[in-house]
Amino acid sequence: SQKIEQNSEALNIQEGKTATLTCNYTNYSPAYLQWYRQDPGRGPVFLLLIRENEKEKRKERLKVTFDTTLKQSLFHITASQPADSATYLCALDPNFGNEKLTFGTGTRLTIIP
Amino acid sequence: DAGVIQSPRHEVTEMGQEVTLRCKPISGHNSLFWYRQTMMRGLELLIYFNNNVPIDDSGMPEDRFSAKMPNASFSTLKIQPSEPRDSAVYFCASSAREGRTDTQYFGPGTRLTVL
Repeated sequence: SQKIEQNSEALNIQEGKTATLTCNYTNYSPAYLQWYRQDPGRGPVFLLLIRENEKEKRKERLKVTFDTTLKQSLFHITASQPADSATYLCALDPNFGNEKLTFGTGTRLTIIP
Repeated sequence: DAGVIQSPRHEVTEMGQEVTLRCKPISGHNSLFWYRQTMMRGLELLIYFNNNVPIDDSGMPEDRFSAKMPNASFSTLKIQPSEPRDSAVYFCASSAREGRTDTQYFGPGTRLTVL
């Protein structure tokens, strides 16, 4: 069966360091992968999208990689700040038909001052 | 744009009662999604619509759940009768393109508590 796993439920990182979150998937051939941020009491907010033919995508302090051989995406936040504390969700778009975006369970990131 | 609008933001009801959740998608968006989020199961897709037509309702838990989209600017998710295990945050999201999924814009959610 199809499965999406995000590396850990919670991750604590010292302010200023790089936070790295992992999204692994099995039994998918995604056309693209998205990362969302969710703050407590709010809906997820779109951050970045990376396509299967792209190795890396950047946006300000954010960087996403996509390795279709390893079936893995890494999400990096450089120079992390306490305001980056949130839950981060990866989502896969299956590469066929009318299939919908499927979300991972998320990683709760805390940046410690 | 006001973004995706959901109402109510909070709902507390007793087991057996009917619950109706409402959603107004972003104007011009062609697809609408209903999700349920719990600590145990994360974000689960319940149903989605393209151009007001239900495309996939395989995530709807059981017959107690139903969803409608009578026009492009309004959708409802109804639970009848409600049960305590339905307690969760329900999100509505919309996206601009039909067919293949696109970036989704989420509403603030409705926190449902069934006693």
